Amino acid sequence: GNSVTQMEGPVTLSEEAFLTINCTYTATGYPSLFWYVQYPGEGLQLLLKATKADDKGSNKGFEATYRKETTSFHLEKGSVQVSDSAVYFCALSASSTGFQKLVFGTGTRLLVSP
Amino acid sequence: DGGITQSPKYLFRKEGQNVTLSCEQNLNHDAMYWYRQDPGQGLRLIYYSQIVNDFQKGDIAEGYSVSREKKESFPLTVTSAQKNPTAFYLCASSIGSGSPYYEQYFGPGTRLTVT
Repeated sequence: GNSVTQMEGPVTLSEEAFLTINCTYTATGYPSLFWYVQYPGEGLQLLLKATKADDKGSNKGFEATYRKETTSFHLEKGSVQVSDSAVYFCALSASSTGFQKLVFGTGTRLLVSP
Repeated sequence: DGGITQSPKYLFRKEGQNVTLSCEQNLNHDAMYWYRQDPGQGLRLIYYSQIVNDFQKGDIAEGYSVSREKKESFPLTVTSAQKNPTAFYLCASSIGSGSPYYEQYFGPGTRLTVT
């Protein structure tokens, strides 16, 4: 079946450090891939997305490239800020009898210290 | 401002009581969803609705019920049959549900505690 695997957290970094959060997926067909961010006590916000192989999604300094050959969609940021502390979810959109279902990873908590 | 509202933010109930969580959207979206989030886990789909007066079970529908009488509203009832109801519940909506390009927009969530 369809699934998403994310690296375990928490990821602890100092401000201005480089961030990578790994995400790999298993899916039939050609899913779209997403990164969502959840700040404490809030709902999820879409951070970026990619809808086909080799697409790069980017937003607020975050980037992720859809790699079909390695079935990966790793999230990167060149210089993190304290305000980036949150939980990050990787997700894929897969078709199930005409309905596009979002399948989420378990989330990775990022903690950025000053 | 368009968006999704969920109320209340925190909800406390005694075991054995049914409780209804509200979800309203003014985005004119056809599709709406309910997810459950538990600590250290991803989101799991409870129910979804692709159009008014229609809804389908998701992966963990047992112990829950929904209705979709209006396009903008998709309330979730947590019944006494739900064995572990304490969780964070998230409502979402999207323009449609038949394309992988459609983004889901999430509400702020309701944290339900049952004792």
